[in-house]
Amino acid sequence: QVQLVESGGSVVQPGRSLRLSCAASGFTFNNYAMHWVRQAPGKGLEWVAVVSYDGTNTYYADSVKGRFTISRDSSKNTLFLQMNSLRAEDTAVYYCARAGLAQTIMAHHDSWGQGTLVTVSS
Amino acid sequence: DIVMTQSPDSLAVSLGERATINCKSSQSVLYSSNNKNYLAWYQQKPGQPPKLLIYWASTRESGVPDRFSGSGSGTDFTLTISSLQAEDVAVYYCQRYYNIPPLTFGQGTKVEIK
Repeated sequence: QVQLVESGGSVVQPGRSLRLSCAASGFTFNNYAMHWVRQAPGKGLEWVAVVSYDGTNTYYADSVKGRFTISRDSSKNTLFLQMNSLRAEDTAVYYCARAGLAQTIMAHHDSWGQGTLVTVSS
Repeated sequence: DIVMTQSPDSLAVSLGERATINCKSSQSVLYSSNNKNYLAWYQQKPGQPPKLLIYWASTRESGVPDRFSGSGSGTDFTLTISSLQAEDVAVYYCQRYYNIPPLTFGQGTKVEIK
């Protein structure tokens, strides 16, 4: 079955960097676009970024554009989120999620990881 | 900005009664080429990731009980729980995934037992 396991969350000071990982298994990783979605404490869901199935296209929410970079390594079945210039408002649980249809970014999320907590605080 | 607005923000329903959640998109999510509405519904229980319930506005995900149903087209959508069970207490989100970016969620609707 599809399994997504995030890692890399921690407490980090404002302005610093952090890289999150999402290890995927149970499906053909390079057939599916992958997303990052975050949820601030007690708040709703916010889409962060998507990378196409082949890694050639990436898109970002305005709130993270220019600071975050999404990427994937198909040889390791792993999704990444490089987060630079972190701000207090980036504090959230970060989920990776799989697109529900192969080879398109325009799809629902049919599988989600358990999330990893990023806390930005001095 | 494209906005997804859910109503109500919260509702309390008696066990066995119907719960109805509305979602309105500021732009249509209907793709005329395939006549599909790019709208999904998710359920999130405390401490858990979201779970997909409905996609293409009305297609139930495998394993989701048939008391959950989705309807609507264009800009107005509804999630209905026909007979509320205790395990349905959760926050429900709609999501548009048409013409992204951005991919947008509604603000969430909290469902409780009356």
